Amino acid sequence: GAGVSQTPSNKVTEKGKYVELRCDPISGHTALYWYRQSLGQGPEFLIYFQGTGAADDSGLPNDRFFAVRPEGSVSTLKIQRTERGDSAVYLCASSTHSGNEQFFGPGTRLTVL
Amino acid sequence: GESVGLHLPTLSVQEGDNSIINCAYSNSASDYFIWYKQESGKGPQFIIDIRSNMDKRQGQRVTVLLNKTVKHLSLQIAATQPGDSAVYFCAEKSGGYQKVTFGTGTKLQVIP
Repeated sequence: GAGVSQTPSNKVTEKGKYVELRCDPISGHTALYWYRQSLGQGPEFLIYFQGTGAADDSGLPNDRFFAVRPEGSVSTLKIQRTERGDSAVYLCASSTHSGNEQFFGPGTRLTVL
Repeated sequence: GESVGLHLPTLSVQEGDNSIINCAYSNSASDYFIWYKQESGKGPQFIIDIRSNMDKRQGQRVTVLLNKTVKHLSLQIAATQPGDSAVYFCAEKSGGYQKVTFGTGTKLQVIP
């Protein structure tokens, strides 16, 4: 079946702009995760959803970052007033309710000029 | 395009040889460990996992060893193939939380 998909694959924006990154998880997966990966680093946890609610948002760096999952499927990561330091690959993953194996999407490469 | 492996420690092995990738973790409360493989331009891919009540687990061509005393994890790949070339990350979870913490990756280069 289809894996996790993310759109867009690349996003270039200017400092101060607002961006939205979308994640379509594997059908039936109730858990959804967002990570951020800087060049040469491992993915860094941002937020985890179980269904529609954010079960753990401890990784969001500041209040410019926000994520939603209104119907318990697709999720959107929103970044306000983007800064150059926000440039990274944003990865989404999904899993079954209590599954340990997380399935990752290809990521969205965000570049803030 | 950009390489995920830029500036990462690199392990170069001859095709057909065995590879050993090491990882040190810091959280003694971690009770579940995972190895991921990440190819350039792709998301991490699950390889194998191990719970803290085990010290060894084997999969197809891969073995994970866990030493809780020194907080060390290793991934052994038998008969390394060119398709094994990628960046490998160890990761950990603790206490039933779903949050995964990734370690520093190692870039594996297989020499044909």
